[in-house]
Amino acid sequence: GQQVMQIPQYQHVQEGEDFTTYCNSSTTLSNIQWYKQRPGGHPVFLIQLVKSGEVKKQKRLTFQFGEAKKNSSLHITATQTTDVGTYFCAVYMEYGNKLVFGAGTILRVKS
Amino acid sequence: GAGVSQSPRYKVAKRGQDVALRCDPISGHVSLFWYQQALGQGPEFLTYFQNEAQLDKSGLPSDRFFAERPEGSVSTLKIQRTQQEDSAVYLCASSSRDRYTEAFFGQGTRLTVV
Repeated sequence: GQQVMQIPQYQHVQEGEDFTTYCNSSTTLSNIQWYKQRPGGHPVFLIQLVKSGEVKKQKRLTFQFGEAKKNSSLHITATQTTDVGTYFCAVYMEYGNKLVFGAGTILRVKS
Repeated sequence: GAGVSQSPRYKVAKRGQDVALRCDPISGHVSLFWYQQALGQGPEFLTYFQNEAQLDKSGLPSDRFFAERPEGSVSTLKIQRTQQEDSAVYLCASSSRDRYTEAFFGQGTRLTVV
């Protein structure tokens, strides 16, 4: 079945450094969503990408969808302690309405 | 309501006990999802409802797990004869349409089976 692989599993950065997490699929994706989950919290929607090569920005966060629609990335510029949490990509399966999550990337920021 | 509400927030069950977890989605939301999240893992899909119809239950780990949404709003996830491996956070999410819309999550129910 369709799966999304997310890397890295874990990243520990110094405050002010950049951070990137990647989501990869062996099949073409119809769309991809990104969520953030703070420690002890629940996933919160960040963005959705649907078009090939799409790039969206939210302040220090930049989201990209690959040209082949098989991969996506989330890049954070100049991390802050408020960026701490787990970042998940999620995709709707090609058939049906199943929303499947990646394993997530845990971000820790040292101040 | 203002958001997705789940109850109880915490549940401790003795092994073999039955439990029922409730989800109140955002009013008017068509889609409702249940997920199981183990510590340090991503949410694992359990089941999906479109209004009152359960369209996908492929993620339910065994026949001890049962979900319903009889009137297309509130949903209940029931686990019979709980086992220790059922210990996890159970998340409910709703969305306004069937695809390509953001999912709004509740705070989750943390189930501990002792």
